[in-house]
Amino acid sequence: DVKVTQSSRYLVKRTGEKVFLECVQDMDHENMFWYRQDPGLGLRLIYFSYDVKMKEKGDIPEGYSVSREKKERFSLILESASTNQTSMYLCASSPGQRFYGYTFGSGTRLTVV
Amino acid sequence: AQKITQTQPGMFVQEKEAVTLDCTYDTSDPSYGLFWYKQPSSGEMIFLIYQGSYDQQNATEGRYSLNFQKARKSANLVISASQLGDSAMYFCAMREESNTGKLIFGQGTTLQVKP
Repeated sequence: DVKVTQSSRYLVKRTGEKVFLECVQDMDHENMFWYRQDPGLGLRLIYFSYDVKMKEKGDIPEGYSVSREKKERFSLILESASTNQTSMYLCASSPGQRFYGYTFGSGTRLTVV
Repeated sequence: AQKITQTQPGMFVQEKEAVTLDCTYDTSDPSYGLFWYKQPSSGEMIFLIYQGSYDQQNATEGRYSLNFQKARKSANLVISASQLGDSAMYFCAMREESNTGKLIFGQGTTLQVKP
């Protein structure tokens, strides 16, 4: 069964901490994405990557960075966590071809206190 | 700029009845794809159905169908014979050919199926 795996289901961190959210896919997909989900706002794209070591900013990249050293792994980094980054974070991957939907991970619910 | 709008924050439907979830979109790209995802309370995103902008017929997948009205830029999801397990949040999303594979989502609609 193909999978996108996010390392943590729930995470509680303190303000100012550096936070790493890990995502691994086993489908050999070129594209990987990080979204955050907030009530009433839907899913908003933070960063995406269409190849190893490549990254592009999404709609809300401020306060975040990403790393993609290997094709299967895409990490989201909160350089200095703040309470307004409390959210559900969803990782997804897709093949490089046009109009394929995404496969999502099960999400990480991050609380910053 | 592309945009997806879901105007129904919450919907109720009686078990075994049909329900329509609304979605309108805005794009200047002639080639695009439209998707619907289901998100149960567990949080996972489940792909339901896809419609391409050049597809002549409305997409169907089991109890799900997509009412695609291109001129009106709407892509409503119809769920027939609702089941209790259909209670979830539903997201409409769009991907433009010109936009490097980015999937843009609407705000979501929470559906509750009543027994």
